[in-house]
Parts: sequence; C-alpha cells; structure tokens
Amino acid sequence: GQQVQQSPASLVLQEGENAELQCNFSTSLNSMQWFYQRPGGSLVSLFYNPSGTKQSGRLTSTTVIKERRSSLHISSSQTTDSGTYLCAMERGSAGNKLTFGIGTRVLVRP
Amino acid sequence: ETAVFQTPNYHVTQVGNEVSFNCKQTLGHDTMYWYKQDSKKLLKIMFSYNNKQLIVNETVPRRFSPQSSDKAHLNLRIKSVEPEDSAVYLCASSLGSQFFGPGTRLTVL
Repeated sequence: GQQVQQSPASLVLQEGENAELQCNFSTSLNSMQWFYQRPGGSLVSLFYNPSGTKQSGRLTSTTVIKERRSSLHISSSQTTDSGTYLCAMERGSAGNKLTFGIGTRVLVRP
Repeated sequence: ETAVFQTPNYHVTQVGNEVSFNCKQTLGHDTMYWYKQDSKKLLKIMFSYNNKQLIVNETVPRRFSPQSSDKAHLNLRIKSVEPEDSAVYLCASSLGSQFFGPGTRLTVL
C-alpha cells in the first residue's frame, strides 16, 4: 500500500478561504518535506520539517513525527496558490531518498 | 545563481533510441538524485549518488544508468527507450532538504 497518504485528493477554494492538507505515513520516518508544484512546473520546497511547527507567510506546517503525520495550513488563499501540494518522507534506513504522496490538487477561484 | 539545472527541458524520441539527460547543481550539495514522475503524477526515486558513489539503486530497468563526473553533476542515460519511459524526470540535490530541478519531459513515440 501507499506509504505516504495525502488528503484530500483535491480541493476547491474560494479566494480568501483557509485550507488544511493532511499527510499520513504508514512507517516510521526521520523527517518529511512539503513541496508545491504548478502544472508542468518544477517542485518548490515549502518546508523541511522534521518536527514541530514552521510558518512561512500564509503557510504553516505542523509535523508530529511520533504520530507519523503532518499538516499544511493555507490561510487567506489566493489564486496563485493553485497547484499540487506534495508531501514526502525520508527514512534513514533507505539513504536520503524521499517517498512521495500522490499530492493534493488545490484550485483557488477568484 | 545557485540551483539545480536540467537539460533538455523536453525530448521526443522513438522506441529503441538512446537518450541522455543532464543535471548540474551549484548548491555545493554532496548528494544528488533522479526521480521519475509518471502520468499519474506520482514521484518515485530512481537513483541517488553521494560523492560519486551510488547509495540507493531502486529496482529500475537496466536500460537506465546514472552517470556522474563529479559531485555537482549527475546525468541519466536510457539505452533503449520504451513507451512506458514517457514521463518527467526530475533531478534533485540535498544537504538536508532536497532541491529539485525543473525536470525533463520525455515522450517516447
């Protein structure tokens, strides 16, 4: 089964609304990372978040490693937030490779 | 500019041809990676290199081979492409968090 599960699979927001994206891991992990990908675009690292809460602008990531979960909160969404949000985990036993979830597709309407 | 650079941006070829994709990072990282993103957008690790040593080699077909001249470069060669190789190939490097290049989109006709 999928080692990294993301929910929801997709999300439609009205500009200004908040959203919370979830990421759950089926195995123990050393750390995890949140990425943003535009359609046809490259991956942009949002957070490298071994544990705890980190904030960058309107984005907040909270990771609880021992509970194998992480969330990404988007506040006051904007149309430019539209795209796919991916989370990935890193397990020390597998080198530094990342195992990705399938992503949450976010569409923010004006 | 410090980043991860990939060439070409896209490549169209026919079944059986050989292709090679280049990746260079100017971040001073020790570890580089190749990932494949399929049509369902799932990203999967293919290879990783640390100081020119292969440290993770996923069960990818043998027609794929990574090539590294130094720790700043990691190229990917596909000896004889097949239709299922059509995908976006993403290169990354890391020192802790991973940074990705823009990707190379391969289309096999």
